[in-house]
Amino acid sequence: GNSVTQMEGPVTLSEEAFLTINCTYTATGYPSLFWYVQYPGEGLQLLLKATKADDKGSNKGFEATYRKETTSFHLEKGSVQVSDSAVYFCALRGQTGANNLFFGTGTRLTVIP
Amino acid sequence: GAGVSQSPSNKVTEKGKDVELRCDPISGHTALYWYRQSLGQGLEFLIYFQGNSAPDKSGLPSDRFSAERTGGSVSTLTIQRTQQEDSAVYLCASSLALILLSYNEQFFGPGTRLTVL
Repeated sequence: GNSVTQMEGPVTLSEEAFLTINCTYTATGYPSLFWYVQYPGEGLQLLLKATKADDKGSNKGFEATYRKETTSFHLEKGSVQVSDSAVYFCALRGQTGANNLFFGTGTRLTVIP
Repeated sequence: GAGVSQSPSNKVTEKGKDVELRCDPISGHTALYWYRQSLGQGLEFLIYFQGNSAPDKSGLPSDRFSAERTGGSVSTLTIQRTQQEDSAVYLCASSLALILLSYNEQFFGPGTRLTVL
């Protein structure tokens, strides 16, 4: 079946620190992979996506590369800001079936000035 | 334009009562999804609609849960005889029509926080 495992939080970093949030997945076939972000008091938003192996998704300084050999999609950012404080969810969509997403448990990031 | 809206934003109910949660998708979005986020767990997929039809209801956790969608727009998720383990945030999302092997971005609503006492 399809499942996502992501790094347990919470994560606390100082401003301008390097961020990595690990995400690995289990899926049949060739899933699409996503990172969603939930800022305080707001709904989930798509941050970035990758639809095939070796694709790199990027947005707002965040990047993640679809690694089929390690079944991973780790989220990285070179220099975090206070405004990046949020909960980050890794997700996948299976190759077949409905468009529904399988989510990880979420990682809360707090960036301190 | 307006995003996905959900109501109520918070609902506190007593064990054994029925509750209805409402979702208004983005206009023109034919696909609609319900997810549940329980404390300490990821988002769990419950059900999706393509138009008014729900092809797969196997994600609903029990037969106390049901959902409907009318007019290809508003959807309601009903939980009968609520239990404490139903306490969670219920999220709704909508997207453009499902297309095989393609992905249409899902836009999420703010959620309904349900607390069953």
